[in-house]
Amino acid sequence: DIVMTQSPDSLAVSLGERATINCKSSQSVLYSSNYKNYLAWYQQKPGQPPKLLIYWASTRESGVPDRFSGSGSGTDFTLTISSLQVEDVAVYYCQQYYSTPLTFGGGTKVEIK
Amino acid sequence: EVQLLESGGGLVQPGGSLRLSCAASGFTFTSYAMSWVRQAPRKGLEWVSSITITGTYYADSVKGRFTISRDSSKNTLFLQMNSLRAEDTAVYYCAKGGSSDWDNHFDYWGQGTLVTVSS
Repeated sequence: DIVMTQSPDSLAVSLGERATINCKSSQSVLYSSNYKNYLAWYQQKPGQPPKLLIYWASTRESGVPDRFSGSGSGTDFTLTISSLQVEDVAVYYCQQYYSTPLTFGGGTKVEIK
Repeated sequence: EVQLLESGGGLVQPGGSLRLSCAASGFTFTSYAMSWVRQAPRKGLEWVSSITITGTYYADSVKGRFTISRDSSKNTLFLQMNSLRAEDTAVYYCAKGGSSDWDNHFDYWGQGTLVTVSS
């Protein structure tokens, strides 16, 4: 099984400042035949289902604000919120879909400082 | 507009059974993989099972106890859960895959249905 490890577990960022969340996979999720990283990021607000933000490690889902960006390749990935807004308070999860079982990171809680 | 509406959750005793349903609309149901993902109280997300055109896939924790299926005539996804355990207590989400196969992200999620396994 591919283990997804997120860091930090939580972070508090001032409004308008940058938030950076890391995700590390226990083995590469880069598929050599198509050069795609099988990695997605989700946002979950309290009482709501997860919402897709980023897929293929760096492709922003339609309608997602451009302050959200994903980067990385192989085993190390980052979700960046360039200018934190009040509505970004949530838990963020990374997920690999390179192999079954599909696995998620433990989540990172983002709060306002 | 894609909509996924789960139902069938509730309180069940250990060892009991429950069948979850997910009514899908707004897309061609047969063209996409569908999955169940659960979230135990105050915990993270755990993939449970996926169904594609070519097959079904399960987490080890539910293999042999849970069965995923779909009724294309009714655009409905199911999860038959047998031999339920306390550790199966969670909100169960229905999720649509981004393609016809399992190796894709989940682009739409339902609101979830709560399953509580307790005596």
